[in-house]
Amino acid sequence: KAGVTQTPRYLIKTRGQQVTLSCSPISGHRSVSWYQQTPGQGLQFLFEYFSETQRNKGNFPGRFSGRQFSNSRSEMNVSTLELGDSALYLCASSPGTGRYEQYFGPGTRLTVT
Amino acid sequence: GESVGLHLPTLSVQEGDNSIINCAYSNSASDYFIWYKQESGKGPQFIIDIRSNMDKRQGQRVTVLLNKTVKHLSLQIAATQPGDSAVYFCAETPKAAGNKLTFGGGTRVLVKP
Repeated sequence: KAGVTQTPRYLIKTRGQQVTLSCSPISGHRSVSWYQQTPGQGLQFLFEYFSETQRNKGNFPGRFSGRQFSNSRSEMNVSTLELGDSALYLCASSPGTGRYEQYFGPGTRLTVT
Repeated sequence: GESVGLHLPTLSVQEGDNSIINCAYSNSASDYFIWYKQESGKGPQFIIDIRSNMDKRQGQRVTVLLNKTVKHLSLQIAATQPGDSAVYFCAETPKAAGNKLTFGGGTRVLVKP
């Protein structure tokens, strides 16, 4: 079974731009969660989608948004990029929302200059 | 590789010895706990989980212990190998939070040959 895939793996953007990251969960998994990882703040939860609906949201500004498609693939968008948005963005998939194991993808490394 | 934390506590262990990684959590409502391993340049990899109705769970070479009284979690790795060198994170979630994981700061394990 293929694992969680994320594209692109690396991105360099300029302040003020916007970016879209993509995540394909493990086949059959319906829950996709997004996390931001930085050296200073560690791993922080952004949001979770299940059946195309946002189920949970972390404490991030509205510039961070996401969506999920009918095939469970998910995208997250960051608008008006700031230097502090430079991070590793990780996607995790899970069969459902009942606190099952979550499997992470390799992440997208975003650098904002 | 990518840095996942510039000032992580580090555990140095001799190859073949047992390792114990500790984690304190603060949310007394948390009832599902997971240990992840993250190698440089990769996403977190699921190791083992435990629910609050248990105080011990064993996997292959790993044991997780949960002490709800003092809100403490530990991961024991038997016969530590060079491939165990990584950053280890504990994560927790209360039932009401679904798949929203709160991660600890991480511990770097260095295995000396």
